[in-house]
Formats: sequence, C-alpha cells, structure tokens
Amino acid sequence: GAGVSQSPRYKVAKRGQDVALRCDPISGHVSLFWYQQALGQGPEFLTYFQNEAQLDKSGLPSDRFFAERPEGSVSTLKIQRTQQEDSAVYLCASGSMKREYYGYTFGSGTRLTVV
Amino acid sequence: AQSVTQLDSQVPVFEEAPVELRCNYSSSVSVYLFWYVQYPNQGLQLLLKYLSGSTLVKGINGFEAEFNKSQTSFHLRKPSVHISDTAEYFCAVTPTGFQKLVFGTGTRLLVSP
Repeated sequence: GAGVSQSPRYKVAKRGQDVALRCDPISGHVSLFWYQQALGQGPEFLTYFQNEAQLDKSGLPSDRFFAERPEGSVSTLKIQRTQQEDSAVYLCASGSMKREYYGYTFGSGTRLTVV
Repeated sequence: AQSVTQLDSQVPVFEEAPVELRCNYSSSVSVYLFWYVQYPNQGLQLLLKYLSGSTLVKGINGFEAEFNKSQTSFHLRKPSVHISDTAEYFCAVTPTGFQKLVFGTGTRLLVSP
C-alpha cells in the first residue's frame, strides 16, 4: 500500500488480557520499527526488524512484550497480561535504506487503553 | 548514545507571525536529524531531514531547519504560521546508518487568530 497501516486503531483491554497489534509496512521496506508513545511524551523505541530478523529489542519494557515479523513484511506486537502502565499509543514505522528515500514512515498508531 | 532536548514544551504564536522551535542534540558520533509533526490522533509525518550537505534544509508546508554542528542544534523555523500548523512537533536523531530514532519530548505549537 501507499502507507504504513496499523490495526486496530483503538483497543480497550481488561487488565490481564493479552493483545496483538498489527503493522503492515510499506511494500519493499526492509526495516520496521515499533515505538511506544505515552500521553504527552515523545515516542520511545521498542524494537527493530530488518526483514524477518529482530536486530534490536532493547526497548521492550518487559518479557510480557513480544514482537515478530515471520515473513519479513507484516509485523505483530503482542503484549501478554496487560497492565495499566501499558496504556499508550503504539506506533509502527517502516523505512528505506535507499539514500534518496532515506527516512521512516509512521503509521497512525494503535491506542491501547488498559482498564 | 544519543539524546534530544526540545527546550520549549509549548509555543504560543499569532497567525502570520514567524516561529522557531528549538532542538538540541547530544551525540558522540555523526547523526542524521529529523523533524516530525503530529496532529491529534494521528501518526508522525516527516517535515524535513538533514542527512548531509547544505546545513539549511527545506521541508513541507513552508518549514525549514538549520543544522549547526558547533552548537549541536537543529532549530525549526517558519516565517509565517497558519492556524492549521497547530500541532505537536518532534525533533529526532539517529546515528548515520539506519538505526532507531531517538525523539525529544515534543513542542506543542499553538497558533491563534
């Protein structure tokens, strides 16, 4: 597609519930990033994929967070046993390493509210 | 590691006035610099980027930014703002080479008539 697509746009989860957030990157973009944006804050890095390889997961806040990109395109961020502090907007970005297009394109995000 | 400081959390300005949003960064290696805009309930939209070359970078919607290596700054400017420029603006940095972005805390630009 023309942009990065994320679904669902909004998700309300009861505390303790598992959730899965989906990201469809721009076709041909090998790099994919997940960020977490708390209310009133800048985005914070969670994890990075190059094709199907997860090269950096240093930003994942706990072992309840898990991300995958099995075929090098669509990615899923899974949060197990959600807690209230997980409430945030989760942003996905894909990127091109070609210099003339160098940059990161962000999706509209998934707003997760844990109640 | 890299870090970004956006000195102003909020900048109020009247329509058609000029504006400057400040950004300073810290890094021990060469970096690429970006400005993004975020409208309510939307993702981040790239305004402009500095990779190399001319230190004055022009972006979309009439915005420009100047890279100053000695002052480690990348301030965003617009000579005449519109009501529609009201949004949150984020400065971001990444080491050269394709790596994760590090964002500042954002500056809310409030344009009033």
